[in-house]
Amino acid sequence: DTGVSQNPRHKITKRGQNVTFRCDPISEHNRLYWYRQTLGQGPEFLTYFQNEAQLEKSRLLSDRFSAERPKGSFSTLEIQRTEQGDSAMYLCASSSTGTGVETQYFGPGTRLLVL
Amino acid sequence: DAKTTQPPSMDCAEGRAANLPCNHSTISGNEYVYWYRQIHSQGPQYIIHGLKNNETNEMASLIITEDRKSSTLILPHATLRDTAVYYCIVRVVGGTASKLTFGTGTRLQVTL
Repeated sequence: DTGVSQNPRHKITKRGQNVTFRCDPISEHNRLYWYRQTLGQGPEFLTYFQNEAQLEKSRLLSDRFSAERPKGSFSTLEIQRTEQGDSAMYLCASSSTGTGVETQYFGPGTRLLVL
Repeated sequence: DAKTTQPPSMDCAEGRAANLPCNHSTISGNEYVYWYRQIHSQGPQYIIHGLKNNETNEMASLIITEDRKSSTLILPHATLRDTAVYYCIVRVVGGTASKLTFGTGTRLQVTL
């Protein structure tokens, strides 16, 4: 399968714990995006990388959230001191700005439940 | 990015064409129309995109009005597996243009 992959698929944690999610984009895609989706809503943008540079961050991305893409390949999203309001599906997407019109392809998501 | 308006829900009989409308009356000349769908508990799936010409691929057809203020996604022969939330998004492409702005979409229910 050469699509976007995310791990873990599900995570249950207690309030106050730290969690880290990983996203592996489609090979050679230079852009990588993180979105968050709560129940009944469409996905909301969090941040994106072009290669290893983080170019935009949403106001939704509080100080407890940090994302990295150290070598321009996979990315991690860490949430420190989780709160119950962080419970959501975290989605990763990747795209290429090479040829053609940029199109984002999404992974299956990581569903987080904070107890 | 321009806002879009979609009906919250639609029904379609299996085997019939599903026509999902989208209004984007404030669309700019450099904004594309994208359609994604999301089947329950999965990540969004790209369907199709267009600028001003009608487009067709193996999944669907996209019809954009001449004034570009609205579009219709057509699933020619809907099946039960097409039951999903369908999102219409308009987005500038190129340069540092980045995020997709999702609304609440149209929940399509395909029935026997």
